[in-house]
Amino acid sequence: AQSVAQPEDQVNVAEGNPLTVKCTYSVSGNPYLFWYVQYPNRGLQFLLKYITGDNLVKGSYGFEAEFNKSQTSFHLKKPSALVSDSALYFCAVRDTTSGTYKYIFGTGTRLKVLA
Amino acid sequence: KAGVTQTPRYLIKTRGQQVTLSCSPISGHRSVSWYQQTPGQGLQFLFEYFSETQRNKGNFPGRFSGRQFSNSRSEMNVSTLELGDSALYLCASSSGSGTPNAEQFFGPGTRLTVL
Repeated sequence: AQSVAQPEDQVNVAEGNPLTVKCTYSVSGNPYLFWYVQYPNRGLQFLLKYITGDNLVKGSYGFEAEFNKSQTSFHLKKPSALVSDSALYFCAVRDTTSGTYKYIFGTGTRLKVLA
Repeated sequence: KAGVTQTPRYLIKTRGQQVTLSCSPISGHRSVSWYQQTPGQGLQFLFEYFSETQRNKGNFPGRFSGRQFSNSRSEMNVSTLELGDSALYLCASSSGSGTPNAEQFFGPGTRLTVL
């Protein structure tokens, strides 16, 4: 079965420091991977996606993610964290086994950036 | 382009009642998905509609149902409400052309409270 895991419920980082939010996946075939962010009382917003090609994907708000096939990981990164980055982050994979490409979301990681 | 809109934003019901939530996707998007978000269970997939047909379904009881109209607007209905149905219900639309690389665009959600 296709799945995605976010091993950390919460990540704390000081403002100005680099941040990493972890995601690992399990798929058969080529992975289609996504990151979304949710701010308080809001819906999810798309950040970036990996479909094919360059392993380093750049997205919105200065975020990037590194696709690592050998480690089956797709970690979200940012070189310098801002307090405004504090939010809930979701990793997702498309289920390509059913032919309808249902989204499968991770459990979410709460990022807290401390001033 | 206008984003995904959901109405109402907040709803309070009592056990045993039924409720209908509405979602208007981004213009031109034919796929609409529904999710239930709770602190304990995270983001749970309910169902997806594409061109008025249910294309995917999650593991929810039959009390949860949906439909999509010819203009791609979608409604979700929950009958015989239970306390555990209290949640944020999110709607997401995508171009949904049948390829796995399309990202989803989320509405702000409807906060349902069951008393």
